[in-house]
Amino acid sequence: SAVISQKPSRDICQRGTSLTIQCQVDSQVTMMFWYRQQPGQSLTLIATANQGSEATYESGFVIDKFPISRPNLTFSTLTVSNMSPEDSSIYLCSVDRGGIGELFFGEGSRLTVL
Amino acid sequence: DAKTTQPPSMDCAEGRAANLPCNHSTISGNEYVYWYRQIHSQGPQYIIHGLKNNETNEMASLIITEDRKSSTLILPHATLRDTAVYYCIVTFSGAGSYQLTFGKGTKLSVIP
Repeated sequence: SAVISQKPSRDICQRGTSLTIQCQVDSQVTMMFWYRQQPGQSLTLIATANQGSEATYESGFVIDKFPISRPNLTFSTLTVSNMSPEDSSIYLCSVDRGGIGELFFGEGSRLTVL
Repeated sequence: DAKTTQPPSMDCAEGRAANLPCNHSTISGNEYVYWYRQIHSQGPQYIIHGLKNNETNEMASLIITEDRKSSTLILPHATLRDTAVYYCIVTFSGAGSYQLTFGKGTKLSVIP
């Protein structure tokens, strides 16, 4: 298994501000994934982050709104920029350490935008 | 990725087997079937995956039909802690990246 720590676990933010979510993994991984889960909904993939290259964003998500950093093989950040109430969601980091599709997820960061 | 269809909800009595169905009639030959679950307020948890043979691990069994158009996840002795949303996902399994597309899943309620 992999231990994934996310910070913050929850936060309440004001409209128009930005928040950076951190994801720390206990071992080196090639691929890291960022998901969003809106209230009462399923998970939606935001982007895939490889170390040393630009993140690959899914349709509907753009780098200006969700910039991602991947400075090394154990750490990544996701920033939610210029937040609006529609950004209120749980943001989850995940990794595929074994390369067989067995994703490990963090506990998520619950964001509420007022 | 192939589309999956799952019932929105199911009940199961505690101690009985929970059988969760999934239809994936458009699955292609190199696509695997994955099952995850999400217990309330937690991140999703991997359960099991398979290609065409039945699979079993310490958590569950996965039965895939011969034509691979449907599968069933079996929790042999459901407990209250198995109450969760269960996601059936079909995706290509190759070296490197996996982009799992989560559907709405099945909300399993284990009843005392």
